[in-house]
Amino acid sequence: DAGVIQSPRHEVTEMGQEVTLRCKPISGHDYLFWYRQTMMRGLELLIYFNNNVPIDDSGMPEDRFSAKMPNASFSTLKIQPSEPRDSAVYFCASSFRVRDTEAFFGQGTRLTVV
Amino acid sequence: GENVEQHPSTLSVQEGDSAVIKCTYSDSASNYFPWYKQELGKGPQLIIDIRSNVGEKKDQRIAVTLNKTAKHFSLHITETQPEDSAVYFCAAGLTGTASKLTFGTGTRLQVTL
Repeated sequence: DAGVIQSPRHEVTEMGQEVTLRCKPISGHDYLFWYRQTMMRGLELLIYFNNNVPIDDSGMPEDRFSAKMPNASFSTLKIQPSEPRDSAVYFCASSFRVRDTEAFFGQGTRLTVV
Repeated sequence: GENVEQHPSTLSVQEGDSAVIKCTYSDSASNYFPWYKQELGKGPQLIIDIRSNVGEKKDQRIAVTLNKTAKHFSLHITETQPEDSAVYFCAAGLTGTASKLTFGTGTRLQVTL
């Protein structure tokens, strides 16, 4: 397996624009997580899914953020409208509950909102 | 909810010396404590973990210790090498249920020649 795949790797957008980040989890994993990483706040869990169903979205900062998982192999994190303070590295991770709690991370998407 | 504190935020050691990173957690129900290494431009990667039924675990130059009574756990790296330079994160969570981890704020380790 190629691991967790995120796209794009880098995204630069203007304030007010819609941004969509994409994630393909490891095949067979039933948990998917979206994290945000900044220098000030470290790694923050935004939302996680179990079997494609959102379980806890308490970390989503505002209504401008939304996440979906239409099937077991794809998830999106959308920011609309984007703001400069959304600039961060966004990570997607997946795990397989039954075997382990290890979370496998993607390489991240570096978002810059200007 | 769980709160994880990590110290120090930066650590510089000479090659061959040992490095120790410490974390504390708040939720006594947590029973799974992984450590992640994040290299520049990459996502965090699990390097070692420990569960609450074990007090210590070792994997070559890396060891973790856990004190459940005091609610703290530590990462020990011996004989450090330049490739150990990275940001290290501790985390705390639960096994067997939702795989939800609370991460520490990270330690930037620099191994100098």
